[in-house]
Amino acid sequence: ILNVEQSPQSLHVQEGDSTNFTCSFPSSNFYALHWYRWETAKSPEALFVMTLNGDEKKKGRISATLNTKEGYSYLYIKGSQPEDSATYLCASDMEYGNKLVFGAGTILRVKS
Amino acid sequence: DADVTQTPRNRITKTGKRIMLECSQTKGHDRMYWYRQDPGLGLRLIYYSFDVKDINKGEISDGYSVSRQAQAKFSLSLESAIPNQTALYFCATSMGQIPLHNTGELFFGEGSRLTVL
Repeated sequence: ILNVEQSPQSLHVQEGDSTNFTCSFPSSNFYALHWYRWETAKSPEALFVMTLNGDEKKKGRISATLNTKEGYSYLYIKGSQPEDSATYLCASDMEYGNKLVFGAGTILRVKS
Repeated sequence: DADVTQTPRNRITKTGKRIMLECSQTKGHDRMYWYRQDPGLGLRLIYYSFDVKDINKGEISDGYSVSRQAQAKFSLSLESAIPNQTALYFCATSMGQIPLHNTGELFFGEGSRLTVL
């Protein structure tokens, strides 16, 4: 089983702080890297799907980068807001078949 | 209404009982998946199906079976539930492979929380 690791496990920040999380994955046989946002009592929702080394994607205050050669991706949140509080999941697709291996997630809590 | 619907949303059952979790989708996607989520662990793939006649085991298929009754329906069964199958179960769908459809993201249902006593 391929391991996808996320750090930190949890993060508590103040409103307005910027923050970032890391997802590391095996760099061999890489196909795609997914980021999902999962709010309590809701369904996980996709933030980004990235495939190319050096990819950078942005959605509002949230952005992500991808380094497939060294096997990591960063998720950045600029100016965190309480509504950003959620679990952020990354997942690696290593088998060209959309079978994702998920990390355990990073729990973000933003205090107002 | 949700595009991916799971029933039941919550279920408490006893060891040895047969349980079925159902998933239906209105997204028209060919690919459907069942994942299990346990605290401190990532989502783990139980079974997946790329079309109606295709069933594949995932990482943790022991103790589970599935049925793909139609493109829109994918059910998960626990033939004889045991306490360590207590978990949150997610059904998900996807359109297909990148870059053919330029996506690949999963669309999740709202989850089915199962407790086995």
